[in-house]
Amino acid sequence: AQKITQTQPGMFVQEKEAVTLDCTYDTSDPSYGLFWYKQPSSGEMIFLIYQGSYDQQNATEGRYSLNFQKARKSANLVISASQLGDSAMYFCAMRDAGGTSYGKLTFGQGTILTVHP
Amino acid sequence: DTAVSQTPKYLVTQMGNDKSIKCEQNLGHDTMYWYKQDSKKFLKIMFSYNNKELIINETVPNRFSPKSPDKAHLNLHINSLELGDSAVYFCASSQETGGTGTDTQYFGPGTRLTVL
Repeated sequence: AQKITQTQPGMFVQEKEAVTLDCTYDTSDPSYGLFWYKQPSSGEMIFLIYQGSYDQQNATEGRYSLNFQKARKSANLVISASQLGDSAMYFCAMRDAGGTSYGKLTFGQGTILTVHP
Repeated sequence: DTAVSQTPKYLVTQMGNDKSIKCEQNLGHDTMYWYKQDSKKFLKIMFSYNNKELIINETVPNRFSPKSPDKAHLNLHINSLELGDSAVYFCASSQETGGTGTDTQYFGPGTRLTVL
């Protein structure tokens, strides 16, 4: 069974600094997708970034980048130049590749990020 | 233009009642999902539909019945509500490519269900 682990319940960062949110995963499937979502206090789930298991390069989307280390089964989210509006809960998720669970997202426990001015 | 919408946003009801949550997406996606987020913020899939066909049913009590009248809509009906059903329910949609694309799931705003 697929498993996602986020070991940091909470993280603090100073505005304008970079922060890394950890995510490790476990799967026996060679084909999978990794996602990060942001959930602000308003409650919506916002897609941030995607990394495919066969992608050769780390994904980047603006200030977000994904540090993908396949051998270590980690997919850490790096937020550069943190802003106050980055304060939120962040979820790492993995998509099942096929079978009866095709398309299913398995989520980690989440990390609450607080950005200090 | 809202991509994935849900109604209602808040739902407060008594134990034993029956209620429905509606979801609509205007992204042209072929797959829709229901997720439950519990009080500890843990998100877990409940159901998924692809082209109106049930694909995933994750050991959810049969008091929960999804219905997909067409590709753009996936509703969730809950019978005989219990206290433990209190949670935030998210609808999501994606265009499944068989793993050749990102198949990113886009979420609705959520429906906060409170059972008294």
